[in-house]
Amino acid sequence: DAKTTQPNSMESNEEEPVHLPCNHSTISGTDYIHWYRQLPSQGPEYVIHGLTSNVNNRMASLAIAEDRKSSTLILHRATLRDAAVYYCILGNDYKLSFGAGTTVTVRA
Amino acid sequence: DTEVTQTPKHLVMGMTNKKSLKCEQHMGHRAMYWYKQKAKKPPELMFVYSYEKLSINESVPSRFSPECPNSSLLNLHLHALQPEDSALYLCASALWTGSNSPLHFGNGTRLTVT
Repeated sequence: DAKTTQPNSMESNEEEPVHLPCNHSTISGTDYIHWYRQLPSQGPEYVIHGLTSNVNNRMASLAIAEDRKSSTLILHRATLRDAAVYYCILGNDYKLSFGAGTTVTVRA
Repeated sequence: DTEVTQTPKHLVMGMTNKKSLKCEQHMGHRAMYWYKQKAKKPPELMFVYSYEKLSINESVPSRFSPECPNSSLLNLHLHALQPEDSALYLCASALWTGSNSPLHFGNGTRLTVT
């Protein structure tokens, strides 16, 4: 399985943007890049996914490098409710295998 | 609230018990998944069902037995578990098993094996 590398933790101030990096140098041409987040005591929640082009939705933006070996999840204005573990995952047919994720802390 | 419902929320069972975990979705999804999550670790894939047929078994011990009776329902039958099997068991569903189909997770069943 193609693997992803993320920082263990990141801190942000409330109402400031958060940029979460993810490296996936062994990505294959058909792997989608997915982001999920998991709040305490809840199941993972889908955030966004993309293949080659940058993607935006109501939760976040996904910026994908031209060579697809890295990507960045952007939370435009962090709130306290965005404190969670964020997982960057490569979607291969049938499988979404989670890596260790980045724990995001938001300071009021 | 999530659109994937898991019951029970909590379960305590002895090593000789037989119990079942239940997962239900009514979104018309045809792919369903079981994940296991230990404390402070990422979820680990256990099983994948596609159109009610088992597609992937990630070398899970036979004391875990999945079942997909119909497209809306997924069960995980548990028998002769060990204390190290204590974990959060997460169910997820997706439109299909392709890599372009996001997963929708339930909030899990917290299992304690005594």
